[in-house]
Formats: sequence, C-alpha cells, structure tokens
Amino acid sequence: AQSVSQHNHHVILSEAASLELGCNYSYGGTVNLFWYVQYPGQHLQLLLKYFSGDPLVKGIKGFEAEFIKSKFSFNLRKPSVQWSDTAEYFCAVMRDKKNSGGSNYKLTFGKGTLLTVNP
Amino acid sequence: DGGITQSPKYLFRKEGQNVTLSCEQNLNHDAMYWYRQDPGQGLRLIYYSQIVNDFQKGDIAEGYSVSREKKESFPLTVTSAQKNPTAFYLCASSWTGGWTGELFFGEGSRLTVL
Repeated sequence: AQSVSQHNHHVILSEAASLELGCNYSYGGTVNLFWYVQYPGQHLQLLLKYFSGDPLVKGIKGFEAEFIKSKFSFNLRKPSVQWSDTAEYFCAVMRDKKNSGGSNYKLTFGKGTLLTVNP
Repeated sequence: DGGITQSPKYLFRKEGQNVTLSCEQNLNHDAMYWYRQDPGQGLRLIYYSQIVNDFQKGDIAEGYSVSREKKESFPLTVTSAQKNPTAFYLCASSWTGGWTGELFFGEGSRLTVL
C-alpha cells in the first residue's frame, strides 16, 4: 500500500520568506502526485498536480512542486510567502491508473503541514 | 451553484447510537468518497464509490457503513461499533472518465460523541 510522509507538522514564517514543504511517498511504481490546501474556514482545494512530463509543476498562487523520482519526493515551494498563504497543506499520492488496473481512484493523503505566515 | 453539500455541520451523539451523515453532490461526478480528518492525522479514507450500487472499503472502514443508491448521494453511517467516532468527516467527489486527480470537497461534518 502506498503511504505519504510530510516531515513538518507546523511551519512558521515571516512574509517574504521562501517556503519548502517536504513530501515523500512510498510506492515503487508510477504515481500521480498532488498538493491540496485548506485555508481557514474553507474547503480543501487542489493546489497543483503531477501526472507525467516536466517534473516541475506550477500551481495556483505562485506555488510550484518538483517531482524527484529517485528520492520519491514531491516538495512544495514558493519563493516569497504572503500572510494569505496561512493554511494547512496536504500532499497526496495515487497509483497511476495503468498500475492499478485503471479502476483505482483512491488518493492517500499525508498528515498535513500547518503553515503560519506572520505579517 | 454546483457543489457538495454535507449535513449536518455539527452533530452530537450519545455513546451506543448510530448516526448518519448526509452527502449530496450536483456536479454529476461518478465517484464519491468519505474521509475522516483528525488533528495531526491528515485525511484517512473510510469508503469510496466509483459507481452507483458499488463501493469499496478504504483504510479505516471498521465501524462505518455506506450506501450508493443514487449517483448524487453517498450517506455515511457511523455505527456504535466505531471505537473513536469523534472527528471531522469530509465528503468528496470526482470525475472518473478522463480523471484529473481533483477531488471536490464539502464543508465537512463535525461529530462529537458525548
């Protein structure tokens, strides 16, 4: 079974600082990778995703993530955070449809990282 | 507006009682999911359904039951067999054809067992 590890439980930054949130997964086959975000009082929403191709993917609000297959990692980055980025961030993995018989749409989430950005 | 509606938002239950959480979507999505969110535990999958009249257990299905009689509805019953039912429950849905990996979430239901 796949699993996802997010190493930082709570990250506190000042505005304009750079951000990197770690995410590692344990599955040897082809995977699809995601970052979801939950802003205070709002629904969980998709931030960005990687299916194939360029391992550097860009999402909404200036976020990006890099898939490094050899390290089983999909770290989230942002060069300069804002107070409005305060939220909880979840990394998620799904086995590629080819490896799951084309019928498994099950996402496995990490435990989440709470990001607090101080103004 | 299209979306996912969960009800009730807050629910209190006495030990030994079953309770059913409602989840309705008008997005015409085929797949629906129930996750449980606990502080520091992230989201854990309880049950999911990719098509009407079919569903599969997730990682923590014990003490829960679901049904999928209609495409737009996926109710979750928390039974008295669930050892630690106090939690925040999230329902989600997604396309399956040409699946993009995007789950659409409801606002959640917070269950407290007294």
